[in-house]
Amino acid sequence: QLQLQESGPGLVKPSETLSLTCTVSGGSISSSSYYWGWIRQPPGKGLEWIGSIYYSGSTYYNPSLKSRVTISVDTSKNQFSLKLSSVTAADTAVYYCARLTPEDKDYWGQGTLVTVSS
Amino acid sequence: DIQMTQSPSSLSASVGDRVTITCRASQGISNYLAWFQQKPGKAPKSLIYAASSLQSGVPSKFSGSGSGTDFTLTISSLQPEDFATYYCQQYNSYPQLTFGGGTKVEIK
Repeated sequence: QLQLQESGPGLVKPSETLSLTCTVSGGSISSSSYYWGWIRQPPGKGLEWIGSIYYSGSTYYNPSLKSRVTISVDTSKNQFSLKLSSVTAADTAVYYCARLTPEDKDYWGQGTLVTVSS
Repeated sequence: DIQMTQSPSSLSASVGDRVTITCRASQGISNYLAWFQQKPGKAPKSLIYAASSLQSGVPSKFSGSGSGTDFTLTISSLQPEDFATYYCQQYNSYPQLTFGGGTKVEIK
C-alpha cells in the first residue's frame, strides 16, 4: 500500500522560504505514468494545487505561485520536495503531498500545517 | 487558466435527501472532471473521475454527469457519513490541476 508522509517546519517567518519534503513508501517514486504533487488548504478554505513533478524532474506549477515555487525530486531517497519563497501570512495552510492520477486511485499524505508568523 | 466554479458553496440537507452539487468550468474540458470528498481534519478522497466513473469502492449512491463546461455530483440518499465538503477538479490540462471552491454539505 502506497503511503506518503510530509515533513518539515511547522512555523516559518515572513519573507523566508517554506521547505517541505514528502517521503513515499510502499512503492517507487520512479514508477512511470505518475506525477507527484503538492496541494495546500488555508484554514477554513478550499484546496489549491501548487504544482507537480515527474520522476524525471519535469515540473508543472500553478501560474499564481510559479514565481515562488520550486518542486524537486530525489529518486534515491524516494522523496520529493517543495520550496515556497518569500512567504507571507497568506501562505499559512495545511500542505498535502499526493499522487493524483485522475483515472486511478489517489494517494495523499496526512497533511502538515505550516504557519507563517514572526 | 481554467477556472472551476461550484455552487452552492454550502447547503443544508436531511438524512435521506437527494443532493445535487454543480460545477462549471470556464472553458470546455470534455469529461476531464473529478469529484473529491473531504471530511474535517482529513485529506480529500477521490469519488468520481471522467465526470461519471466511480472510483473503486465508492458506493453507487454517488453519481456524476456532465461534459464540456457543466457538471453535477448527485448523492441519491444522504447518509450521516456523507456530511462533508465536496470539491470538483479539472484535469483537462493534466498534470496541471484546478479545484473548485468546494461545497459544504451540512445537516439540517
